[in-house]
Amino acid sequence: AQSVTQLGSHVSVSEGALVLLRCNYSSSVPPYLFWYVQYPNQGLQLLLKYTTGATLVKGINGFEAEFKKSETSFHLTKPSAHMSDAAEYFCAVSDWSGGYQKVTFGIGTKLQVIP
Amino acid sequence: EAQVTQNPRYLITVTGKKLTVTCSQNMNHEYMSWYRQDPGLGLRQIYYSMNVEVTDKGDVPEGYKVSRKEKRNFPLILESPSPNQTSLYFCASSPGHSYEQYFGPGTRLTVT
Repeated sequence: AQSVTQLGSHVSVSEGALVLLRCNYSSSVPPYLFWYVQYPNQGLQLLLKYTTGATLVKGINGFEAEFKKSETSFHLTKPSAHMSDAAEYFCAVSDWSGGYQKVTFGIGTKLQVIP
Repeated sequence: EAQVTQNPRYLITVTGKKLTVTCSQNMNHEYMSWYRQDPGLGLRQIYYSMNVEVTDKGDVPEGYKVSRKEKRNFPLILESPSPNQTSLYFCASSPGHSYEQYFGPGTRLTVT
């Protein structure tokens, strides 16, 4: 069974500081990995995804993530936080499970950006 | 415009009164899914569908039903809602499991 662990349900950073949101996964087959962002009172939208190929993935709004198979991690980073980055971030893994495709989300990390 | 729509957006109902939340996508996606979002629990998958007439349970299917008679529609049915089904519900669609999901705007359901 696949699972996703997001360390830290709340993260606070100062404006201009590095953003690091952690995600570890477990999957019995090579996974597809995603980061989504949810702004208040909105649905989720894709930030970036890893399917195959290059392990460093760049997404929208200056975010990027690195797939590390040996560490089963897919941490999300941004060099310099903006106030507009305040939102909730979800890591997700997708694979085939028992002949059916299945998507599992982490519990989410709320990012607070302090002026 | 490519989108996933859900209706209603807000619903307050009473225990035991059957309700349906509709979901429709205009992207010809094969994969559709329903999630509920609760504080501290993230998104949990209720049901998903890989194509017309093909559905399977997610992690929290109890108390819910779905059907997929047409590719574009994937309604969520609560036959006898209970207060523990008060939640924010999202429908999503995708071309397949290696692709991202496109989410609807959400339906906030309150069961009293």
